[in-house]
Amino acid sequence: NAGVTQTPKFRILKIGQSMTLQCTQDMNHNYMYWYRQDPGMGLKLIYYSVGAGITDKGEVPNGYNVSRSTTEDFPLRLELAAPSQTSVYFCASSFMGWESYEQYFGPGTRLTVT
Amino acid sequence: DQQVKQNSPSLSVQEGRISILNCDYTNSMFDYFLWYKKYPAEGPTFLISISSIKDKNEDGRFTVFLNKSAKHLSLHIVPSQPGDSAVYFCAASVGRDDKIIFGKGTRLHILP
Repeated sequence: NAGVTQTPKFRILKIGQSMTLQCTQDMNHNYMYWYRQDPGMGLKLIYYSVGAGITDKGEVPNGYNVSRSTTEDFPLRLELAAPSQTSVYFCASSFMGWESYEQYFGPGTRLTVT
Repeated sequence: DQQVKQNSPSLSVQEGRISILNCDYTNSMFDYFLWYKKYPAEGPTFLISISSIKDKNEDGRFTVFLNKSAKHLSLHIVPSQPGDSAVYFCAASVGRDDKIIFGKGTRLHILP
């Protein structure tokens, strides 16, 4: 099992550009999440999904969009990138069952917007 | 407003001694708590959790203590090892719900 994979690892965007951060998990988890981590800060939830076709906003959704067409994939779209979106982005997944709750994280995508 | 607070940005502990990482929370509805460990350039990894029906949970060298009246939890690592040097995040949620709220993290340095 590869677990949670994210691409790309690094990206530099110019202000106003768009991009999609890819996230795939092979653990058949029903829940998936996107977080951002700013320097010296904890992780903040951007969007999450409880299953294919269902997404919902987290704490900091502005400037982002998501879709969940399959169980495995949960891409995060940045439209009109802004310097405030410079951060490390983590995708995570979990199986929301009674016995299991912990989230499994990908290695992160470091994004710089200049 | 921070609902999960880790007031110590960093902590240094001698190898072999006990490391104690602290976490406070403000939302009395939280009833499930987790600790994650993060190495540089990697995603966080789950370490240990505790439900509010317990006041202690142990897993090998790691023990989490929960004091609901004080809205405080702590992670004890004993004995501390060099591989324990990492950032530790405290996190909390309302039930086994969908949103976990993370603290800012504490960087633990294990000194040789």
